[in-house]
Amino acid sequence: DAMVIQNPRYQVTQFGKPVTLSCSQTLNHNVMYWYQQKSSQAPKLLFHYYDKDFNNEADTPDNFQSRRPNTSFCFLDIRSPGLGDAAMYLCATSSSRGTGANVLTFGAGSRLTVL
Amino acid sequence: GQNIDQPTEMTATEGAIVQINCTYQTSGFNGLFWYQQHAGEAPTFLSYNVLDGLEEKGRFSSFLSRSKGYSYLLLKELQMKDSASYLCAVRDSNYQLIWGAGTKLIIKP
Repeated sequence: DAMVIQNPRYQVTQFGKPVTLSCSQTLNHNVMYWYQQKSSQAPKLLFHYYDKDFNNEADTPDNFQSRRPNTSFCFLDIRSPGLGDAAMYLCATSSSRGTGANVLTFGAGSRLTVL
Repeated sequence: GQNIDQPTEMTATEGAIVQINCTYQTSGFNGLFWYQQHAGEAPTFLSYNVLDGLEEKGRFSSFLSRSKGYSYLLLKELQMKDSASYLCAVRDSNYQLIWGAGTKLIIKP
């Protein structure tokens, strides 16, 4: 089945120790998103790629970086995690081509714990 | 600013019907989405409304009134597995998705 896969599902890191989260998709969607979601809160968009174009949200901290080496893969790098960065990180994809609602398909998420 | 309002939590009984409301104030409108999110899992798509009226999909229905900035998600014949958070999201004039914080639905036997 075509899907969005995130690794790792659970990541524990120490304060200030860099972390990389990965996302891969087999849907051939041209748009990929990274969201941060804290408990009982709305997902917060960090950035998204529209094809190769990178779009950074204005309030995304510099501590967060992203790479999309090809259509299928996307990475989220947290350079120096703080306690406030503990959250679920959700990767999502959508297709802007053709008709339709451009529904987002989410991966299962990566839960980050910062000690 | 842009805003999505949903009740924080609702409780319903297995087999009953529940309606989860969503009101929005956004810069333009290009569709409204409902997602289901079980605890610790990713959101999954439930429904999409872009025109006024009711969209029915099995036990779930979603209604939209653009003039009132209002939508609801109706869940019938509730099952224990329907216990989850339900997120309302609106696509604005810039095609950005504005998310609500979700409504936690608790189903009791």
